[in-house]
Amino acid sequence: QSALTQPASVSGSPGQSITISCTGTSSDVGAYNYVSWYQQHPGKAPKLIISEVSNRPSGVSNRFSGSKSGNTASLTISGLQAEDEADYYCKSYTGSSTLAYVFGTGTKVTVL
Amino acid sequence: QEQVVQTGAEVKKPGASVKVSCKASGSTFAGYHMHWVRQAPGQGLEWLGCINLDSGGTDYPQKFRGRVTMIRDTSINTAYMELTRLMSDDTAVYYCASEPGITKYFQHWGQGTPVIVSS
Repeated sequence: QSALTQPASVSGSPGQSITISCTGTSSDVGAYNYVSWYQQHPGKAPKLIISEVSNRPSGVSNRFSGSKSGNTASLTISGLQAEDEADYYCKSYTGSSTLAYVFGTGTKVTVL
Repeated sequence: QEQVVQTGAEVKKPGASVKVSCKASGSTFAGYHMHWVRQAPGQGLEWLGCINLDSGGTDYPQKFRGRVTMIRDTSINTAYMELTRLMSDDTAVYYCASEPGITKYFQHWGQGTPVIVSS
């Protein structure tokens, strides 16, 4: 089971929208609506920002939204702000007995 | 206020074992799973396995079977992860993270425990 594929980096200007893709297979992302997204600032623990493809936990800005099409999930950040500069990881449940959860490779978001 | 607090940094020699603890407060224990995730320096996140905090049942990825053990002590709302036969590649920050019910997402994360493996 390989890591889910994310772009290494994405950048945007304040106020713009950006989208981060997360590509897996029909055995993970494509098979279950159990894709979640995590934001990680340098030196900090990851923080849940999207669960079950598109659900936003209480307290998370509505500028974050998630979706899925086939084997690819996406995270969109609208109205980009300086505080959004961080690493972002997707994660999918796989149902596999050898590796039940797989993370994405991670994307560094830079606010220009 | 839900909170998950981990033990401090550890320095170990190759071949040794490390045991990291993770104490949950609030309602973050009964009905939850506790997962363990690690992050090597400059690298991404890697799932190490999880424990059902009610039953004690565990699920470990094949890569770590035989080397990782997860247990919990319900009397003090604490989960533990032990990794044996440490190698330099095990140098990483180890996180615990709670999953409410069977939701498949990691809701509350500990602050992380750096583990350094060096001779």
